[in-house]
Amino acid sequence: GAVVSQHPSRVICKSGTSVKIECRSLDFQATTMFWYRQFPKQSLMLMATSNEGSKATYEQGVEKDKFLINHASLTLSTLTVTSAHPEDSSFYICSAAPSAQRGDTQYFGPGTRLTVL
Amino acid sequence: QKEVEQDPGPLSVPEGAIVSLNCTYSNSAFQYFMWYRQYSRKGPELLMYTYSSGNKEDGRFTAQVDKSSKYISLFIRDSQPSDSATYLCAMSEDTGGFKTIFGAGTRLFVKA
Repeated sequence: GAVVSQHPSRVICKSGTSVKIECRSLDFQATTMFWYRQFPKQSLMLMATSNEGSKATYEQGVEKDKFLINHASLTLSTLTVTSAHPEDSSFYICSAAPSAQRGDTQYFGPGTRLTVL
Repeated sequence: QKEVEQDPGPLSVPEGAIVSLNCTYSNSAFQYFMWYRQYSRKGPELLMYTYSSGNKEDGRFTAQVDKSSKYISLFIRDSQPSDSATYLCAMSEDTGGFKTIFGAGTRLFVKA
């Protein structure tokens, strides 16, 4: 159980285009989903916390208008990188926390590798 | 100073060795302590989860938390080549907000 999927797993796009990444909890409901960014050989950096039905909470330094997050249902959150630039190239990972469960258990998706040319 | 410090390694050991991975932290409000394993180009996988201080054992893995020293450890017994991965420590406060702070990760190589 507790499977989280991400789509696509890899995307290459041209500078200036927008890219949407989907995160789905397949066998549980997730009130809260998280979006992370990971550069090579570095740790996960939290970008934003997404709650179903409400606006996402962004971490300091993360541009809200550039990284649009929509948590439309208890099983789906999307991250859209708008007007992508080469410096946005990174590994984006989502995670989902089962609703009504404390203890900070979160389940990670397999990640999406974004390359902006 | 980072909230969570973790030696990035790499750490190389022979098969069968006991591996010790460690993290230190500065925030005394952390109550939840986790260890994740991450294979190359994959998402992290939860290995161990401990609330507050103490030890927890699961098969070949043992997690220790020493809150007085702000120090956590993960021990891997009888290490296998399949244990080769990056190990991330992570921790959070008991606020219900689920915000987790990750260490940089230690790259482990177990040689056959």
